[in-house]
Amino acid sequence: ETGVTQTPRHLVMGMTNKKSLKCEQHLGHNAMYWYKQSAKKPLELMFVYNFKEQTENNSVPSRFSPECPNSSHLFLHLHTLQPEDSALYLCASSQDPGRTNSPLHFGNGTRLTVT
Amino acid sequence: TQLLEQSPQFLSIQEGENLTVYCNSSSVFSSLQWYRQEPGEGPVLLVTVVTGGEVKKLKRLTFQFGDARKDSSLHITAAQPGDTGLYLCAGVTGGSYIPTFGRGTSLIVHP
Repeated sequence: ETGVTQTPRHLVMGMTNKKSLKCEQHLGHNAMYWYKQSAKKPLELMFVYNFKEQTENNSVPSRFSPECPNSSHLFLHLHTLQPEDSALYLCASSQDPGRTNSPLHFGNGTRLTVT
Repeated sequence: TQLLEQSPQFLSIQEGENLTVYCNSSSVFSSLQWYRQEPGEGPVLLVTVVTGGEVKKLKRLTFQFGDARKDSSLHITAAQPGDTGLYLCAGVTGGSYIPTFGRGTSLIVHP
């Protein structure tokens, strides 16, 4: 399998549930990202990991907790979410984060609905 | 925080028509990327432009980076239904490696 794989593709959860999103990249990249995509809004950067170290936390609420055990895997742990957290959550990776034109490779996202 | 404005927000056209979408900012970018996102999928990179005034072609798609590296355009010739999708531009400033995205242009090409 190649590219960036996200699971699950769809997730419905109640506000009191705990769930996790998983991302795996098979590209040998060094940086991994979580983005949130909501209707009529630009892609919002949430977290960045560079060589397994978190380098960006874009003022994300603590109900979202990332984990990067190695450079190929990235998780987003969710707990006590709010309905406004419903969105498409996209994972991405890039080859060399030190290069300004290193493009992002995205997974197909997890469509999250919080009820 | 730089702001990328994309226009138009929505575009619905017939197969065979030409179109241009725009990406504008007051910030100077070291590079600018264009992505296309189809329904149910993640964005896929189309092109990266780096040099002011640069023009790149990808089959029927022509990308231009403004001379001042603050804006870009995407022109599609003879659009086809397969061109349907959300077109996103993303700019990278010299001090960061993380692209900032615009809201995108949603294009529908009717057969």
